This record gives sequence, C-alpha cells and structure tokens, in this order.
Amino acid sequence: GQQLNQSPQSMFIQEGEDVSMNCTSSSIFNTWLWYKQDPGEGPVLLIALYKAGELTSNGRLTAQFGITRKDSFLNISASIPSDVGIYFCAGQLWGAQKLVFGQGTRLTINP
Amino acid sequence: EAGVTQSPTHLIKTRGQQATLRCSPISGHTSVYWYQQALGLGLQFLLWYDEGEERNRGNFPPRFSGRQFPNYSSELNVNALELEDSALYLCASSPDRITSYEQYFGPGTRLTVT
Repeated sequence: GQQLNQSPQSMFIQEGEDVSMNCTSSSIFNTWLWYKQDPGEGPVLLIALYKAGELTSNGRLTAQFGITRKDSFLNISASIPSDVGIYFCAGQLWGAQKLVFGQGTRLTINP
Repeated sequence: EAGVTQSPTHLIKTRGQQATLRCSPISGHTSVYWYQQALGLGLQFLLWYDEGEERNRGNFPPRFSGRQFPNYSSELNVNALELEDSALYLCASSPDRITSYEQYFGPGTRLTVT
C-alpha cells in the first residue's frame, strides 16, 4: 500500500531548541496533516495543509505543503516540555479518501 | 462540543474470544474511521463507515468487521482473537465523506489478548 516515510524516527533535544521533522512519499497527496499523540491518548490534529506551497502556523508550530505535493515538514520553535510526544504526518492521496499515516517521530525533551 | 468517545477504555480477552469496541463520533459527523495502532507503531487503517455503509477497508482479515448505526455511532468487532491483535484501537470521525481528510480522533480502546 501507499507509505509515507517520516523522519527522524526519534529526537532527543534540549528545552528551548527548535525541532524539524518531515514526511516524503513517491505519491502525490492533495492534503497533508500533522498530528500529535500523547501517551495513552488519540492523535490530536495540529495543522492541516490543502495547497501545494502552503505554509501554515499554529503558535510555535509551522508546517509546509511541498511544491511537488510529495512532501511536508513540521517545525517546532523554542521547544517546551509539553511538546513531548509522538508526531505523525498524514496525507490524503489524490483521488482517494482515506488517510495514510507516517510511522511517527518520537520527541523527547531534556529540561 | 463533545469529542469522539470510545468504550471501553481497556479490554482484556483471551485468544479465540470475540471483542466489541464502540465509538461515538462528534455530533453532526457522519463518517467514522477505525485504526489499529500496535505498540510503538504507526496507525494502520482498518475500516471506514459513512451514512451506515462500509466505504473502504484496509488490509486486514475478514474477522475484523464492524457496522455503523443510524445515529452514526459505530462498532468494531474482532472475532477469533489472536495475540497479535493486542493494540490500541482508535476511532476517528469527519464531518462527511467529502471532508474525510479532516479526522478527529478519540482516546482509543486498549485491547489486550492473552
């Protein structure tokens, strides 16, 4: 099936550092989404991107929909302890309706 | 506005038994999606229901089935449970099948098969 390659798989950073993660695919997507999942809970939608080249911010989070429609990145600026969790990218394939999820990036922050 | 709710929170079954998981979507949402998340792994798409019909299913055996009720709530049934079915089962809803990209998740049901 279709796959999203999300990297890195894990990150260990100091509080206050900026974070960057990305997702790539060989397929074209018409929507990209970024979710955060805390332990024992369901994923929470952070940012949704609908157009190639779109750059969207949500507080300290910024995400972009790649021009080729095959990739997206998420940046977190000035990380804080509550940013800890697993971040998933998800995409809706062109012409399809279900979402495809990346494998997740586990973010750990050292105070 | 209440979010997606799932029950039970935890479910422990033995191999060979059947499990039933329930989901109530956000009020006004007609589409319900089920995902399996094995420990430490990403989300694997299981089933999608909209307006009472199964619209799509993932690469899972037929012993994974479900249904959607007239009030848009949904059940996921897993028959002949196997040890590898142990996972967090997540339900999500979207306003309708057109906005299927806008999915909101519930807290999940943790199924443990012993």
